[in-house]
Amino acid sequence: AQKITQTQPGMFVQEKEAVTLDCTYDTSDQSYGLFWYKQPSSGEMIFLIYQGSYDEQNATEGRYSLNFQKARKSANLVISASQLGDSAMYFCAMIQPDTGFQKLVFGTGTRLLVSP
Amino acid sequence: NAGVTQTPKFRVLKTGQSMTLLCAQDMNHEYMYWYRQDPGMGLRLIHYSVGEGTTAKGEVPDGYNVSRLKKQNFLLGLESAAPSQTSVYFCASSYGTSHTQYFGPGTRLTVL
Repeated sequence: AQKITQTQPGMFVQEKEAVTLDCTYDTSDQSYGLFWYKQPSSGEMIFLIYQGSYDEQNATEGRYSLNFQKARKSANLVISASQLGDSAMYFCAMIQPDTGFQKLVFGTGTRLLVSP
Repeated sequence: NAGVTQTPKFRVLKTGQSMTLLCAQDMNHEYMYWYRQDPGMGLRLIHYSVGEGTTAKGEVPDGYNVSRLKKQNFLLGLESAAPSQTSVYFCASSYGTSHTQYFGPGTRLTVL
């Protein structure tokens, strides 16, 4: 079964430094999509970035980039120049084909704390 | 655009009571979803809908029912609430199943 693993329950980083949040996935499908969502303390789920399995280049969105290593089945999120507002839970998720419907499967999340 | 909205934001129920959570989206999305989020477990899909008038079971459907009478609305019902249904409930919508899902702000439900 498809699975997303986030092995870092918590990460700390100083303001203005870069941080990498790990995500590995397990799938036998050739076509899939990977997402990162941010959940601040207010609770909403905010879409950050998307990577398709056939995309040749790593996805980037402003200070967010996705380090996609297909052979290793990893899709790490890199946040450059961390800001205090980046403190939040971060979830990696994968589209999982399932009898014609593509289900979004989430990891358990990584809590990021950015200190001044 | 309001995006995806959910009502109510908070609710406390007693065991056995019923309630309905309302999700509305103004993005003309075909697909809508209900998830629950429990500590340490990420989000799990309860039910989903691929269009007006259609619904289907997700990963954890037991104890819940849904309806999609209008394209923009997706209702989640609990007929007889149990303490195990204490959770945060998120609604989401997307153009298609392989497209980005956009989430509502969540509903925090406590069942005593």
